[in-house]
Amino acid sequence: GEKVEQHESTLSVREGDSAVINCTYTDTASSYFPWYKQEAGKSLHFVIDIRSNVDRKQSQRLIVLLDKKAKRFSLHITATQPEDSAIYFCASYGNEKITFGAGTKLTIKP
Amino acid sequence: GGIITQTPKFLIGQEGQKLTLKCQQNFNHDTMYWYRQDSGKGLRLIYYSITENDLQKGDLSEGYDASREKKSSFSLTVTSAQKNEMAVFLCASSIWTGYEQYFGPGTRLTVL
Repeated sequence: GEKVEQHESTLSVREGDSAVINCTYTDTASSYFPWYKQEAGKSLHFVIDIRSNVDRKQSQRLIVLLDKKAKRFSLHITATQPEDSAIYFCASYGNEKITFGAGTKLTIKP
Repeated sequence: GGIITQTPKFLIGQEGQKLTLKCQQNFNHDTMYWYRQDSGKGLRLIYYSITENDLQKGDLSEGYDASREKKSSFSLTVTSAQKNEMAVFLCASSIWTGYEQYFGPGTRLTVL
């Protein structure tokens, strides 16, 4: 079955800098790649997604890039703020099933 | 807007006991999911349901049953609770598979 590897288990950046979280997947049939955020003690909520018919999508300070050839996608958070501190999960959807990565704990330092 | 509710919030059971977790959504979404999140780890899909009375197995379905009694509700049964499955169980829904999911607050399972 599909495997999603989230390369950074932890990431620490200074407030105002950019943060990049990278994920790879294995199934060439995967077509939808969402990202979720989990703040401390809370459940997950959706932040941004990208479909396989595009290679870039931006929503305010969030940018998602997709490289289908390399089976790699990434989340870029620009101009980071303290409220960006959380665990971020990437996921891959294909053949009606979704597979999540293990999560990246992002810490924004003052 | 809509909401997903999960009951109970905390569930304590004995090893070998059968336990049921419930989930309700008022988004009128077709697809619902059950995930298990172990401490400090990602989510693993247990079961999902594309529509009422449909059930599909995820990667972690062994030891669990599920039931989609109606469009708005999806329940999960731990058939024989084990100590190594203490985790948070998350329910989610989406308008269809391959779309944004909305998550409930979770049920934390403790097995004594």
